[in-house]
Amino acid sequence: GAGVSQSPSNKVTEKGKDVELRCDPISGHTALYWYRQSLGQGLEFLIYFQGNSAPDKSGLPSDRFSAERTGGSVSTLTIQRTQQEDSAVYLCASSLDPGGPYNEQFFGPGTRLTVL
Amino acid sequence: AQTVTQSQPEMSVQEAETVTLSCTYDTSESNYYLFWYKQPPSRQMILVIRQEAYKQQNATENRFSVNFQKAAKSFSLKISDSQLGDTAMYFCAWGWSGGGADGLTFGKGTHLIIQP
Repeated sequence: GAGVSQSPSNKVTEKGKDVELRCDPISGHTALYWYRQSLGQGLEFLIYFQGNSAPDKSGLPSDRFSAERTGGSVSTLTIQRTQQEDSAVYLCASSLDPGGPYNEQFFGPGTRLTVL
Repeated sequence: AQTVTQSQPEMSVQEAETVTLSCTYDTSESNYYLFWYKQPPSRQMILVIRQEAYKQQNATENRFSVNFQKAAKSFSLKISDSQLGDTAMYFCAWGWSGGGADGLTFGKGTHLIIQP
């Protein structure tokens, strides 16, 4: 079946604008993750969704970042009033069973965000 | 909090050689998973191999194998008969087996270059 998809693939925006990044997880996967990959760095965990449960937002870098997941499927990551330090690749991943033996996370191709 | 350290920012070997990538981690948990992910220029993160901490036997997947030393908190990746397609960033990651709420903790990666 289809893998994790993300849109847009690339996004260039001006400082101060709002952006929305979208993630479509693999069908049937209950867990969904957002990560940020800054240039030359590893992946930084941002937020986790399990089904329709409310997420723990403590990993989000600032209050300009928000995320939601509708119907336990599609997720959007919104960055308000973007800053140049928000420039990074934003990766989404999903997994079948976050705590069990099938907890492999399948990643999407990411959205490269550039803030001018 | 968990930390993952990859001390080799870049490595270069000739095609068909064997190469070992290093990873050390720090955790107070006893039940966890360790992963090696490959990220080619396409940005798509691909799981290479996974090790469950409670298993003493080292995981293997075709040309890829790990040397898991739990007491030393070391998890190295060995690639045998390296191929040009192995050129990529390789990330070591730690995940708690009790659930996915904290996401995976990644190292900063090793850029592996396979020379023809």
